[in-house]
Amino acid sequence: EAGVAQSPRYKIIEKRQSVAFWCNPISGHATLYWYQQILGQGPKLLIQFQNNGVVDDSQLPKDRFSAERLKGVDSTLKIQPAKLEDSAVYLCASSSYRGANYGYTFGSGTRLTVV
Amino acid sequence: GESVGLHLPTLSVQEGDNSIINCAYSNSASDYFIWYKQESGKGPQFIIDIRSNMDKRQGQRVTVLLNKTVKHLSLQIAATQPGDSAVYFCAETRLGNKLVFGAGTILRVKS
Repeated sequence: EAGVAQSPRYKIIEKRQSVAFWCNPISGHATLYWYQQILGQGPKLLIQFQNNGVVDDSQLPKDRFSAERLKGVDSTLKIQPAKLEDSAVYLCASSSYRGANYGYTFGSGTRLTVV
Repeated sequence: GESVGLHLPTLSVQEGDNSIINCAYSNSASDYFIWYKQESGKGPQFIIDIRSNMDKRQGQRVTVLLNKTVKHLSLQIAATQPGDSAVYFCAETRLGNKLVFGAGTILRVKS
């Protein structure tokens, strides 16, 4: 099966600019996650969707970050305005419970550099 | 709060030796654990998982051990190869919700 697709792979922007990332999960996966991974750290959840509804956005900085999954398939994550500390890799993952495991699969991520 | 942590940030092993990467978790309600491998420029890649009703699971060259009494998870890699060099993360979840990751262990394989 095709993996989780993300674009762009890299993005460099100046602080206070806006940026958007796109994710297409594995077909049929109802749950979609956006994680932020700062260099040298493990990924941290920003937001979790179940179909087109938000399950958990408690760690999402809502004053500048937004995400949507309007049709319950692909998703976009937006940052506006960006800060220097937003420099990180933004990972999208999807999952679907099958048998004994949840089938979490990650995309390759978008590396954001804010200058 | 809940957290998943690793004891050793960097592990260097000789090619052909066995590697053991350790992880401590704090949420006793977690029921599913996963080990991931992450190479530079790539997303985390699934290695092996284990449910909380098990204490050991084996894959190809990898074994995961779970000790719920002390909330400890380990990944054993047999006959470590240069291609195993990467950052390894353990992650926990409850009921298939969000994954909570540790900080990672860098595995370096010396030829």
